[in-house]
Amino acid sequence: DVKVTQSSRYLVKRTGEKVFLECVQDMDHENMFWYRQDPGLGLRLIYFSYDVKMKEKGDIPEGYSVSREKKERFSLILESASTNQTSMYLCASSSANGGTGRGKLFFGSGTQLSVL
Amino acid sequence: DAKTTQPPSMDCAEGRAANLPCNHSTISGNEYVYWYRQIHSQGPQYIIHGLKNNETNEMASLIITEDRKSSTLILPHATLRDTAVYYCIVSFIQGAQKLVFGQGTRLTINP
Repeated sequence: DVKVTQSSRYLVKRTGEKVFLECVQDMDHENMFWYRQDPGLGLRLIYFSYDVKMKEKGDIPEGYSVSREKKERFSLILESASTNQTSMYLCASSSANGGTGRGKLFFGSGTQLSVL
Repeated sequence: DAKTTQPPSMDCAEGRAANLPCNHSTISGNEYVYWYRQIHSQGPQYIIHGLKNNETNEMASLIITEDRKSSTLILPHATLRDTAVYYCIVSFIQGAQKLVFGQGTRLTINP
């Protein structure tokens, strides 16, 4: 069964801390995405990557950075966590070669981050 | 990508067909319709997608009107496990296909 694994289900951090959220996929997918989900705002795209070492900003990249050193791993970094970054973070991956199936994203279970 | 409009909530009895509507009146000719669902505390799950023909898979059927301005997702025999938020998304095919999720429809299956 295909899998997108996020390193932590729940995470509690302090304001100002540097936070790493890790995501690993086992499907050899080219594309990987980071979304955040907040009540009333739905899912919003933070960053995505279409290849190793490549990254593109999504709709809300401010306060975040990403790293993709290996194809299977995509990390989201909060350089200095703030309380307004408390949210559910969802990682996803997709194939670039799937034809119309490129819109078939596989999501992880999410990381609920609380910044105190 | 074209905007979609979905009812905020719907109810359906267990065992009955659940029909979830979606309006996408500004859809362009090469935009696809995707459906996802999100069960509480999980990541979204892909259900089905289509361009203009009706589609069916093991999870659901997708009916797209001839003018493509609206579509309906059909869960033929809804179970309690189908209780979730259902998202209708319209998107062009791209190498790295970014999907914009709206508010979706909260579907509750009642016993």
